[in-house]
Amino acid sequence: EAAVTQSPRNKVAVTGGKVTLSCNQTNNHNNMYWYRQDTGHGLRLIHYSYGAGSTEKGDIPDGYKASRPSQENFSLILELATPSQTSVYFCASGDHRGGNYAEQFFGPGTRLTVL
Amino acid sequence: QEKVQQSPESLIVPEGAMSSLNCTFSNSASQSIWWYQQHPGKGPEALISIFSNGNKKEGRLTVYLNRASLHVSLHIRDSQPSDSAVYLCAVMGGMLSGSFNKLTFGAGTRLAVCP
Repeated sequence: EAAVTQSPRNKVAVTGGKVTLSCNQTNNHNNMYWYRQDTGHGLRLIHYSYGAGSTEKGDIPDGYKASRPSQENFSLILELATPSQTSVYFCASGDHRGGNYAEQFFGPGTRLTVL
Repeated sequence: QEKVQQSPESLIVPEGAMSSLNCTFSNSASQSIWWYQQHPGKGPEALISIFSNGNKKEGRLTVYLNRASLHVSLHIRDSQPSDSAVYLCAVMGGMLSGSFNKLTFGAGTRLAVCP
């Protein structure tokens, strides 16, 4: 019973199309995150959220929107997909222990290809 | 913005040997430093974290942190083929870093343990 799930696991989209990536967590964590992972860059933070109704910009937010309708769900939206957004996307949830927000639990990833 | 660099990019060790991975970061006031393990096609999983200067040992893992030299290392004793994975160093930004309470990841070290 995975605590962070993502859908779809694989997606092929066309340039200019709209793409929505979904994430669900059963950890009851307040914080959720969207990253992309590209060779040579590691994981880069796109958007994050501190709770239902909140979204914050990460380090590379351009071309992406996020939505957090509930504690459990966090979506990443590409309104006009471009080939440069071809990547593997990871969702994570996290909580703080004694003020340390660091530990994050990751989903299995979504491989997105934009043609 | 926090910068994290890892070395070497790849490492091959024989079964039973010690594996040593390195990470440098840009801000001595960073909060905790985490090491994550990522197997192919999977999301990263947290292995061990450290906050204070010195070392921390958990099972076969030992982490050394030197804030003055902005350096952290991970050592895996008695390396096993199942340890073969990508290891990601992640730094939680301090209050003055511009990455406060956000994780910044390095590009990773690919470890292969040969039987």
